[in-house]
Amino acid sequence: DTAVSQTPKYLVTQMGNDKSIKCEQNLGHDTMYWYKQDSKKFLKIMFSYNNKELIINETVPNRFSPKSPDKAHLNLHINSLELGDSAVYFCASSHLREHNEQFFGPGTRLTVL
Amino acid sequence: DQQVKQNSPSLSVQEGRISILNCDYTNSMFDYFLWYKKYPAEGPTFLISISSIKDKNEDGRFTVFLNKSAKHLSLHIVPSQPGDSAVYFCAATITSGTYKYIFGTGTRLKVLA
Repeated sequence: DTAVSQTPKYLVTQMGNDKSIKCEQNLGHDTMYWYKQDSKKFLKIMFSYNNKELIINETVPNRFSPKSPDKAHLNLHINSLELGDSAVYFCASSHLREHNEQFFGPGTRLTVL
Repeated sequence: DQQVKQNSPSLSVQEGRISILNCDYTNSMFDYFLWYKKYPAEGPTFLISISSIKDKNEDGRFTVFLNKSAKHLSLHIVPSQPGDSAVYFCAATITSGTYKYIFGTGTRLKVLA
């Protein structure tokens, strides 16, 4: 009965590789988000999709490409991984309306060697 | 430019006493504020929120105060319990458009038994 789930929980990979992180929510929300928490613990929005349409696209390298096949899924694909991509990535979901709260997944810890 | 700041990275409080966590923001357009709680290896979970039309919101042991003129909000936990030990993030958003959250860097609260 997990509300927002992410796979994998841990990901260790070499520089230059391409990897994907998957996110699914079963809350019936229409909006999903990807956040990055770096080593300084800043939790920063990267992308957001509403009804499969991109609505937030922060200054993120174009090596990062989100894909939303449907409202319940938002996957994050990262090409040519770099050392600086090492972080914890959180997926979240919400209804897109005033005074909404976002529900977060457990996070994916990505380590690039 | 960090628009939401939590200047205390950590706080220790005795069980039963009051915990006060502080958050400052710079953008006067923010009109909705939230507090999230995060345990290790888990995603942030929503705790309490406040709209800018209010100066106080209470939910059980948790109260959030908002001082718009000072651009400051605080979370009070009374009485503090060992299970409250976690990292607390404040977040702010403008409730129009994309509802993007801006998070602070978090305060680690330790409640001592």
